[in-house]
Amino acid sequence: DTGVSQNPRHKITKRGQNVTFRCDPISEHNRLYWYRQTLGQGPEFLTYFQNEAQLEKSRLLSDRFSAERPKGSFSTLEIQRTEQGDSAMYLCASSPRSGRSPLHFGNGTRLTVT
Amino acid sequence: SQELEQSPQSLIVQEGKNLTINCTSSKTLYGLYWYKQKYGEGLIFLMMLQKGGEEKSHEKITAKLDEKKQQSSLHITASQPSHAGIYLCGADAGKTSYDKVIFGPGTSLSVIP
Repeated sequence: DTGVSQNPRHKITKRGQNVTFRCDPISEHNRLYWYRQTLGQGPEFLTYFQNEAQLEKSRLLSDRFSAERPKGSFSTLEIQRTEQGDSAMYLCASSPRSGRSPLHFGNGTRLTVT
Repeated sequence: SQELEQSPQSLIVQEGKNLTINCTSSKTLYGLYWYKQKYGEGLIFLMMLQKGGEEKSHEKITAKLDEKKQQSSLHITASQPSHAGIYLCGADAGKTSYDKVIFGPGTSLSVIP
């Protein structure tokens, strides 16, 4: 169990550019989640996958955001035409099974849009 | 939709003091999670509570879920500088919904040596 891994840890980009983040969950976990956290707030749910299927998307996830999890392994979160309001910490989490169990979080990707 | 409130928003205590953080829900809590977060890092899972009246402890941290399952508390005994960080409560979005966890805004804890 090497934990949830997220890359990059930090990303600085100019407004209007596209960015992509990667998340590698714990290997036996079939559920993968994306959250966004701004300073002084708790994480806000964005979307989640069970295996390769994206089962729910938050209304926070505008058309500029897209997430994929090919083959039910790693996941990517892409933001197109970034805006300054996209600046936040993007957190990935995974859980081992259906049912009630805690999420295991990665260390996040901090995005700064200038 | 369910919302979680936490109090206090921030807390500064002298090392060795006891403290309590509260988490209140607008709806029944079917799965309640406590996490700790260091600045700029991910969330570290502390404890999960499911049953009304349930209490769990790990080292000097004790978490309780009230009988009505709408409020949880996190109590730290004899605080240490290592306890400093942001404490977040999270809850399953619904009784049979294991789909996502929603979070409170967090409580920032500082421990002065």
